[in-house]
Amino acid sequence: QKEVEQDPGPLSVPEGAIVSLNCTYSNSAFQYFMWYRQYSRKGPELLMYTYSSGNKEDGRFTAQVDKSSKYISLFIRDSQPSDSATYLCAMSYNQAGTALIFGKGTTLSVSS
Amino acid sequence: EAGVAQSPRYKIIEKRQSVAFWCNPISGHATLYWYQQILGQGPKLLIQFQNNGVVDDSQLPKDRFSAERLKGVDSTLKIQPAKLEDSAVYLCASRGQGGAYEQYFGPGTRLTVT
Repeated sequence: QKEVEQDPGPLSVPEGAIVSLNCTYSNSAFQYFMWYRQYSRKGPELLMYTYSSGNKEDGRFTAQVDKSSKYISLFIRDSQPSDSATYLCAMSYNQAGTALIFGKGTTLSVSS
Repeated sequence: EAGVAQSPRYKIIEKRQSVAFWCNPISGHATLYWYQQILGQGPKLLIQFQNNGVVDDSQLPKDRFSAERLKGVDSTLKIQPAKLEDSAVYLCASRGQGGAYEQYFGPGTRLTVT
């Protein structure tokens, strides 16, 4: 079993839709949970991070972490064509700078 | 603030040849990472440096891959000899004093081994 599981999609939605992206993980030692966005032929860029369980909102984006279920989600409201990208979940054991463990990424396409 | 710079952006080589990638992290960032991203996969750590010392190279195929970070700034990743399965994007990331999540990635070098 991989440490981080993520459905690669692809996921296609119309503009304005609410998008839900999810990851599951097996290692309960993970404390930090991140979502990165990666456009084609670009490096990943950090969208949001959450420490331990709970919700975090930033504009149209909401990140949720449920440590009891080992399940994290990213919601995108009012999706835009510019949101079309690959979304990678990533996790870390601590804040000390250890490397991130990534999911495979979910490819999202938002059509206008 | 300038981002993480990588070169070359693209490289095509034949198997058994050697190749080198270069990374210039964000100024002042002490921690530097090299990740390998195979098509359809998430990035996987190859090596992590703190200044010019290696923190973690447990997933680096040391029989063919090597990396160095001279003077704690720029870094070079080398593959010799390359195999077909080394075809991937090689991403460099750096981190300052922030938490583990504050890793900034470069655009990557796309390697194709034929």
